[in-house]
Amino acid sequence: DTGVSQDPRHKITKRGQNVTFRCDPISEHNRLYWYRQTLGQGPEFLTYFQNEAQLEKSRLLSDRFSAERPKGSFSTLEIQRTEQGDSAMYLCASSYQGIHSPLHFGNGTRLTVT
Amino acid sequence: DQQVKQNSPSLSVQEGRISILNCDYTNSMFDYFLWYKKYPAEGPTFLISISSIKDKNEDGRFTVFLNKSAKHLSLHIVPSQPGDSAVYFCAASYNNNDMRFGAGTRLTVKP
Repeated sequence: DTGVSQDPRHKITKRGQNVTFRCDPISEHNRLYWYRQTLGQGPEFLTYFQNEAQLEKSRLLSDRFSAERPKGSFSTLEIQRTEQGDSAMYLCASSYQGIHSPLHFGNGTRLTVT
Repeated sequence: DQQVKQNSPSLSVQEGRISILNCDYTNSMFDYFLWYKKYPAEGPTFLISISSIKDKNEDGRFTVFLNKSAKHLSLHIVPSQPGDSAVYFCAASYNNNDMRFGAGTRLTVKP
């Protein structure tokens, strides 16, 4: 299977703890995106990378969130001092750099903050 | 900011009939539009797309129509099948930047 892989699938944590998620994109894709989805809503853009460069961050992304893609391959998304409002599905997607390339999504990491 | 809107949270159609899912957008800079399909416990799957220079794109049972003057696009599924039952998301982007999604429409195709 050469699709986008996300780990873990589920994470339950207590408020105030830090969590880290990992995404492995499709190997030929040089763009990697993080989205967040809550119940009844569509995916909400958080940030994206082209190779190892983080090109854009949503203004919705608080300073408790940080993403990295150190070698232009896999990426990590860390949430520090989690809050109950962080509970959501965190989706990773990848694409080619070229014009009009669709995003290919992983199955997401569901975070529950208790 | 809701730049992409899907005003119908749900749609139910009979197997074999046409399903029409609608989407409106507010940003006239969008130049690429897509439809995604999502099953429970899975990520969204790319279905079909259209660039702003076209007004129609067809792929098998799926056709996307774009009306730029009305800032409206629609997805037609003909004939609808029970396996098409899923949540459908409309998405749009401009200049190959981040993609914005609507809230989704849950389609139920009844046998």
